Amino acid sequence: QVQLQESGPGLVRPSETLSLTCSVSGYSISVGYFWGWIRQPPGKGLQWIGNIYHSGRTNLNPSLKSRVTMYVDTSKNQFSLNLSSVTAADTAIYYCARVLSDIEARPPNNWFDPWGQGTLVTVSA
Amino acid sequence: DVQMTQSPSSLSASVGDRVTITCRASQRISRNLNWYQQKPGKAPKLLIYGVSSLESGVPPRFSGGESGTDFTLTISSLQPEDFAIYYCQQSYSSPITFGQGTRLDIK
Repeated sequence: QVQLQESGPGLVRPSETLSLTCSVSGYSISVGYFWGWIRQPPGKGLQWIGNIYHSGRTNLNPSLKSRVTMYVDTSKNQFSLNLSSVTAADTAIYYCARVLSDIEARPPNNWFDPWGQGTLVTVSA
Repeated sequence: DVQMTQSPSSLSASVGDRVTITCRASQRISRNLNWYQQKPGKAPKLLIYGVSSLESGVPPRFSGGESGTDFTLTISSLQPEDFAIYYCQQSYSSPITFGQGTRLDIK
């Protein structure tokens, strides 16, 4: 059974870099799948941040692309998110998730399952 | 970006009711449409992928359908554990986008 767990600071200062790690258990990320990050401002909806493949290839949301870096550490079975130059608008619950695909669909249909429990990151001085 | 608009935004219903939530895409998204359920303080949980494929373990009272650019999530007979927020999500074009959510409350 695949499980994901986010970790990282709960408080980040404005203009600094938010760094989160997602630890995966029950599956070796070096085998395959994309892995994704999604965020949810408190009381609001979901925003996709981006996906990363075990090779390091990424698909990123253009609205965040200039500030986002993702990377994979297969030796630790983890993948990570860095979001630079944060502001209060980046305050959110950050979720990591496995990305599943129906490759027979054109284009492939991608969905998120399972999700980590989420971690709240607050941007404040 | 593909806009996903859910209706209604909130809904009150009773145990045993049949309810339908609609998600409309701003452009064609083929069958690249998925549904999630989120309970307070929890991560979203996948219910349906590819319009109508039920995720393993999800009760069969949940079903998904489509009509053009409109997609539906139907719960045939509401159970107490179904009161939650429901989100649709498209993956036809990047960026992946979600609907704004439909809050389903107990009447």
